[in-house]
Amino acid sequence: RKEVEQDPGPFNVPEGATVAFNCTYSNSASQSFFWYRQDCRKEPKLLMSVYSSGNEDGRFTAQLNRASQYISLLIRDSKLSDSATYLCVVKRPGYSTLTFGKGTMLLVSP
Amino acid sequence: ETGVTQTPRHLVMGMTNKKSLKCEQHLGHNAMYWYKQSAKKPLELMFVYNFKEQTENNSVPSRFSPECPNSSHLFLHLHTLQPEDSALYLCASSQGGDRLNTEAFFGQGTRLTVV
Repeated sequence: RKEVEQDPGPFNVPEGATVAFNCTYSNSASQSFFWYRQDCRKEPKLLMSVYSSGNEDGRFTAQLNRASQYISLLIRDSKLSDSATYLCVVKRPGYSTLTFGKGTMLLVSP
Repeated sequence: ETGVTQTPRHLVMGMTNKKSLKCEQHLGHNAMYWYKQSAKKPLELMFVYNFKEQTENNSVPSRFSPECPNSSHLFLHLHTLQPEDSALYLCASSQGGDRLNTEAFFGQGTRLTVV
């Protein structure tokens, strides 16, 4: 089982739609979780951290399910500008390294 | 404006050339990373430096040689590369150690083309 797994997509949704991505991780001792966004030919940028109790930032909601070892990202009222690849990132304890998933591509159309 | 600066932004080099990529971070971080991202492929971790010590080398060919003279600077020395080494090379930094919630910040990358 890969350390961090994501559905590569692409997810094609119309503007205004709600879309959700899931990501699973293999190491139950993982402690820190993030969602990054990467635009085409650009560097990844932090979208939001994921907290145990779940957290929301505007139209974006992140959830963590430790029992099932997955995190999710919900995007409400999708905008054209949300089109990007969303990377799931996990940090294992005892390591400085962040492990990136392969990313899920989102395409929002008019 | 990013706190992680990479130079050059674009580089074209022949297979017999020697070149170096430079990364500088102004965030006071102690961990720095090199990642490779080939076209339509995920990020591949190459090297990790934590407090100037190399802590990870993900089976990277010896034609890639990293150098970390201090916590703020990271280099990737390139020699006798192959065309398949053409990719976006991304540098990142984070707080380092085992601190929780230490997200990484990326530079804008060097787009390398080997001809």
